Amino acid sequence: QQQVKQSPQSLIVQKGGISIINCAYENTAFDYFPWYQQFPGKGPALLIAIRPDVSEKKEGRFTISFNKSAKQFSLHIMDSQPGDSATYFCAASPNAGGTSYGKLTFGQGTILTVHP
Amino acid sequence: DSGVTQTPKHLITATGQRVTLRCSPRSGDLSVYWYQQSLDQGLQFLIQYYNGEERAKGNILERFSAQQFPDLHSELNLSSLELGDSALYFCASSVELAGERSEQFFGPGTRLTVL
Repeated sequence: QQQVKQSPQSLIVQKGGISIINCAYENTAFDYFPWYQQFPGKGPALLIAIRPDVSEKKEGRFTISFNKSAKQFSLHIMDSQPGDSATYFCAASPNAGGTSYGKLTFGQGTILTVHP
Repeated sequence: DSGVTQTPKHLITATGQRVTLRCSPRSGDLSVYWYQQSLDQGLQFLIQYYNGEERAKGNILERFSAQQFPDLHSELNLSSLELGDSALYFCASSVELAGERSEQFFGPGTRLTVL
C-alpha cells in the first residue's frame, strides 16, 4: 500500500515536444506529491509539488495534473529541451502528524532523453 | 548546490566491514533523512531524525543505524556489509518548523561499493 508506480521507465522525445510521465498510488494517506529531477552524479532536486486540494499546478514549462479519485498524477514537460534530459521521480508523502511524516515514497524513475 | 554536504563521495570496502557515512544538513534545517538508491530497489527511505531524535523509520536493516548529533549533523553506520549493500546513499534535510512539511534538499550522495 506504500507503493508509488511510475511509467514509462524511459522516454525519448524530440526537442520542442511534450514529455508526459505518469504515477499512481494506493495509500489514501498520501497528501503531498512532489516530482524530483536527478542528473547523473547528483542528488534529486525538487522540481514541482502538488497537494490533493488542487487538480493542476503549473510552474514554467512544468505542469502536474492530479486526479484524486483515480489516485493518479502526472508530470507534463512542455517544449522539452535537451537540458531536460535527466531521470524524473514522482514521490508521495503522508499527511502531517503521523510517525511517518515527511517520509517520501518514490516511484521507480523515468529516464528522459530529449533529442535536439 | 543544495547546501547539504555528504562525505565521503566514494567508499570502497569489503564484505563484513563497517563504514560510517556523514551528512551535514543545510544551515537551519532540523530534519535529516537518509535514503538508499540502488538499481533494483530504486530510491528508498531509510530513517529520519528531527533535532536529534529519531522521527520515522523505513526499510532500514538491523545492521544499519543512524544518529543525529547536537550540531545537527548525522551519521549513517552500516555494519557487516554485504554485496547487496552497494548503492548510493543520500542524505536530505528540511527545516520543518512548527510541524509544517517543507522541501527536502538532497545532498550529492555517497557511492558505496562492497567487494
